[in-house]
Amino acid sequence: EVQLVESGGGLVQPGRSMKLSCAASGFTFSNYGMAWVRQAPTKGLEWVATISYDGSSTYYRDSVKGRFTISRDNAKSTLYLQMNSLRSEDTATYYCTRVRGQLRYWYFDFWGPGTMVTVSS
Amino acid sequence: DIVMTQSPTSMSISVGDRVTMNCKASQNVGSNVDWYQQKTGQSPKLLIYKASNRYTGVPDRFTGSGSGTDFTFTISNMQAEDLAVYYCMQSNSYPWTFGGGTKLELK
Repeated sequence: EVQLVESGGGLVQPGRSMKLSCAASGFTFSNYGMAWVRQAPTKGLEWVATISYDGSSTYYRDSVKGRFTISRDNAKSTLYLQMNSLRSEDTATYYCTRVRGQLRYWYFDFWGPGTMVTVSS
Repeated sequence: DIVMTQSPTSMSISVGDRVTMNCKASQNVGSNVDWYQQKTGQSPKLLIYKASNRYTGVPDRFTGSGSGTDFTFTISNMQAEDLAVYYCMQSNSYPWTFGGGTKLELK
């Protein structure tokens, strides 16, 4: 059974850093791209970043580029999101997702339960 | 960025209804649109990928169609467990973008 479990969320002050982790199990982690999607309280879904199966390619939304870093450790089947210079607008539930597809069609076929990040003084 | 505009933003429906919602892309995204269902307090779930392909285990009352800029998602026989917010998403080009969602509520 595929499982994705996020951790590392909590309350953090503006300008500080936080690192999220996502432990994957039930599939060969190194065969799949992975992504982070977030959802601000009472708002819709927002794609944050994607990483290729081997970590060689990464993509970010503009609002987090230069502040967030997506990475992975295939030996540990773990996905990470290092978040620096956090802003109040980064407050959201962060979901770890598995990416499927090819060429230009992609989709998120499994989602973790999410971890809440609150940026506030 | 490609803007995905969903309509309507909410619908009041009854069990057994046929439900249709739309998603319009601000530019051509081919068939690279997915549909997700999010129930209250839960993570989203994939229902449809590449515009019209039903994901594994998804009931056949859920269908998707469209290409280019106009996409439609239909529930043929609404069930109580289908009450949720539905999101479209384009993966044709970065940044991948979601629509604002369509919320289904009981009449």
